[in-house]
Amino acid sequence: GESVGLHLPTLSVQEGDNSIINCAYSNSASDYFIWYKQESGKGPQFIIDIRSNMDKRQGQRVTVLLNKTVKHLSLQIAATQPGDSAVYFCAESYSGNTPLVFGKGTRLSVIA
Amino acid sequence: GAVVSQHPSRVICKSGTSVKIECRSLDFQATTMFWYRQFPKKSLMLMATSNEGSKATYEQGVEKDKFLINHASLTLSTLTVTSAHPEDSSFYICSARDQQRHTDTQYFGPGTRLTVL
Repeated sequence: GESVGLHLPTLSVQEGDNSIINCAYSNSASDYFIWYKQESGKGPQFIIDIRSNMDKRQGQRVTVLLNKTVKHLSLQIAATQPGDSAVYFCAESYSGNTPLVFGKGTRLSVIA
Repeated sequence: GAVVSQHPSRVICKSGTSVKIECRSLDFQATTMFWYRQFPKKSLMLMATSNEGSKATYEQGVEKDKFLINHASLTLSTLTVTSAHPEDSSFYICSARDQQRHTDTQYFGPGTRLTVL
């Protein structure tokens, strides 16, 4: 299940199940969105990105959905594996050289 | 994918000393690099945007005289934490965009763990 508390929200899933991580972004003018995976003590690792002219994009075992109407982004991971355990961040930017703005992050915990 | 390195990966220093952190894009050129700071169990906080050949742009609340940024080449940006204090202890991460690919994707380095005693 999903819980929100003083620390990062945590999503716990059984190995093999699908995971859905959600993100609400803040700037309606943002037109580029990325999902990153961060393991403990390491830098963020690029997973998948999407531009605002799309509402869905698929990668290997991952899918990103974008709903501009409600400013919502989600990351779906199919057949979640123990190696998927990490903190996942969404990030948004406006086209050009503007820096990415990161969301608060969600910790995904995969139960074997 | 594009590779970004950081050096050192971990540093422990005494209060009052200065520490330099290097960020390199290994297989691409980056006119713009970004420096972030991350506290435990928190998200990444942008500190500054490093521009090759010009002054860095600092975010509100970040002291430019304390966090010196130099972007001397298209593959190297450095962050120097001057007169470090224990409250500067944090995880510092840089990122870079691949200018030649004309993409907005930022690739991150592995981070530098700074501990100030």
